[in-house]
Amino acid sequence: RKEVEQDPGPFNVPEGATVAFNCTYSNSASQSFFWYRQDCRKEPKLLMSVYSSGNEDGRFTAQLNRASQYISLLIRDSKLSDSATYLCVVNRAGSYQLTFGKGTKLSVIP
Amino acid sequence: GAVVSQHPSRVICKSGTSVKIECRSLDFQATTMFWYRQFPKKSLMLMATSNEGSKATYEQGVEKDKFLINHASLTLSTLTVTSAHPEDSSFYICSARSIHTGDTQYFGPGTRLTVL
Repeated sequence: RKEVEQDPGPFNVPEGATVAFNCTYSNSASQSFFWYRQDCRKEPKLLMSVYSSGNEDGRFTAQLNRASQYISLLIRDSKLSDSATYLCVVNRAGSYQLTFGKGTKLSVIP
Repeated sequence: GAVVSQHPSRVICKSGTSVKIECRSLDFQATTMFWYRQFPKKSLMLMATSNEGSKATYEQGVEKDKFLINHASLTLSTLTVTSAHPEDSSFYICSARSIHTGDTQYFGPGTRLTVL
């Protein structure tokens, strides 16, 4: 099983749609979870950390299910500018090192 | 805050030459810097972890004599790709964290290396 697994997509959605991405991780001892976005040929940028109780930042909602080792990201009212690759990121247990998923590509279409 | 710069942003070199990439934390002191590599359509792969003032820790399969890392100060780390070959062509990205940023890493804009 891969350390961090994501559906690669692509997800092609119309503007205004709601889209959800899922991610699973293999190490139950991981403690920190993040969603980053990466635009084509650019560096990853932190979108949001993911907390056990779930958290929301504007149109973005992240959820964590430790029992299932599952992380999700929900984007509401999609904008054209949301088009990017979304990376699920998990820390290695006991360290600050991060493991990245391959990413899920999102294209928001006018 | 938490700005990380990298230089150069792009480099094209001949096979056999060495290339140095700099990573700087501009507004915070980075106790730890990380170097990643990303091939097209692949995920970021951690190459090494560098703590200021100590030797870098390399991931399995990454040659420490080929990828030299120096982290001499709290704001600067360098990666030198020695005797570069075409298969080393990739997107190299650094990130940095400090005790104030916790688990969060901030990434530099990356360096695109092309070895001819």
